[in-house]
Amino acid sequence: KNEVEQSPQNLTAQEGEFITINCSYSVGISALHWLQQHPGGGIVSLFMLSSGKKKHGRLIATINIQEKHSSLHITASDPRDSAVYICAVMEYGNKLVFGAGTILRVKS
Amino acid sequence: DSGVTQTPKHLITATGQRVTLRCSPRSGDLSVYWYQQSLDQGLQFLIQYYNGEERAKGNILERFSAQQFPDLHSELNLSSLELGDSALYFCASSAWDTTGELFFGEGSRLTVL
Repeated sequence: KNEVEQSPQNLTAQEGEFITINCSYSVGISALHWLQQHPGGGIVSLFMLSSGKKKHGRLIATINIQEKHSSLHITASDPRDSAVYICAVMEYGNKLVFGAGTILRVKS
Repeated sequence: DSGVTQTPKHLITATGQRVTLRCSPRSGDLSVYWYQQSLDQGLQFLIQYYNGEERAKGNILERFSAQQFPDLHSELNLSSLELGDSALYFCASSAWDTTGELFFGEGSRLTVL
C-alpha cells in the first residue's frame, strides 16, 4: 500500500463545475503539500498545510490531521486548470512522499 | 518564475557516462531538495541539503551523489548511467530546514541512450 493515496486518478469536468481531489496518507507528517504540474513538466506549489484550511482564489485546500486526509477543491473550474495535481506529505525527517497524481481535464 | 534555476534543461548521454545537474535556489533559501520523476516510479525524493549540510536522504542510488556549495547552489552527480536513469530531475528550494513552501525549478530532462 502506498503511503500517499490520491483519488480519483483521472477526472474530466465541464467548465464551471466544482471539483474535489482527495488525498489520504498513512504516516505521521509535519506538513502536506498540494502541487500542480502542467504538460511540459513544471511544478508549482499550490498550498502547504499543517492544519485547517487555506484558500487562494478559486482553490481551497483542507486537511484533517486526525483522519489523515486532505482535499483540494477547485470552484468554477476553467480549462486552464487542466493539469496534474499532486499531493505530497512531508514526513518527519524531511522526506517528501508523493502521491501518484490526479490528471484533471476541464472541457469548455 | 519560481526563482529556482536548473541547468541544463535537456541532456542526452550514453550508458556508462557521468553527468552533473546544477541548481541555484531562490535568493535567501537555505534548503535544496532533489527529486526524480520517471514514468514508472512517479516523483521520488532523492536528497536534501540545508546550508551546506546533508539533512535527509531518500531513494538515492549509490551511483548518485550531491553537494551544496557555500554560495548555496547545489549539484547532483549521476555516474555509471543506465537506461533506467532517464527521467526528469527537479530541484526545489525552501527557506527553512524542516518546513516551508517549496519552490520548484523547471527540471532537467535526462535521456540515457
